[in-house]
Amino acid sequence: GEDVEQSLFLSVREGDSSVINCTYTDSSSTYLYWYKQEPGAGLQLLTYIFSNMDMKQDQRLTVLLNKKDKHLSLRIADTQTGDSAIYFCAERNSGFQKLVFGTGTRLLVSP
Amino acid sequence: SQTIHQWPATLVQPVGSPLSLECTVEGTSNPNLYWYRQAAGRGLQLLFYSVGIGQISSEVPQNLSASRPQDRQFILSSKKLLLSDSGFYLCAWRRTGEFEAFFGQGTRLTVV
Repeated sequence: GEDVEQSLFLSVREGDSSVINCTYTDSSSTYLYWYKQEPGAGLQLLTYIFSNMDMKQDQRLTVLLNKKDKHLSLRIADTQTGDSAIYFCAERNSGFQKLVFGTGTRLLVSP
Repeated sequence: SQTIHQWPATLVQPVGSPLSLECTVEGTSNPNLYWYRQAAGRGLQLLFYSVGIGQISSEVPQNLSASRPQDRQFILSSKKLLLSDSGFYLCAWRRTGEFEAFFGQGTRLTVV
């Protein structure tokens, strides 16, 4: 079945870049997502990438996809304290309605 | 615009008691609906999803069940709660053919 893995924690200093990594097992994944969860709240979509893309940039966010290695990363440039949250990677196969999430990475940004 | 409502926000229930969490979506029809549980150290686990009324797919064998009695209503239930059912439960919806899923604010369930 589908499996999505992430490291549990990442700690960076304000102003540095953060890179959050994700690996997935379903080679037929069509859509890959990054969601952000602030404390005690639901999830909000940050960005997404289609499997036929290698990279997507959206302001401070850069998503890189290595489809061969089934590896997805999210880079946050100039990380701010307000970026502290849990970041979830997720994947979905276009033929199915399931949306499978990773374990989440807790990003802590210190001043 | 579409909105998703999930209630209650917090719930403390004794072991062995029943559970009913409700999720409703407004402003769209025939959404795909999802129940997730977020437990410490286990990330976001897909419990159930539904592509239509009365259609429920279960992802993880467990003490919980789901029902979709109406198009925009998704209910998570249990007849007898276990301590291990504690967690943060999130409902989400997604329009078929679109990529983004929208989440409710979650229900924090503590079984004591």
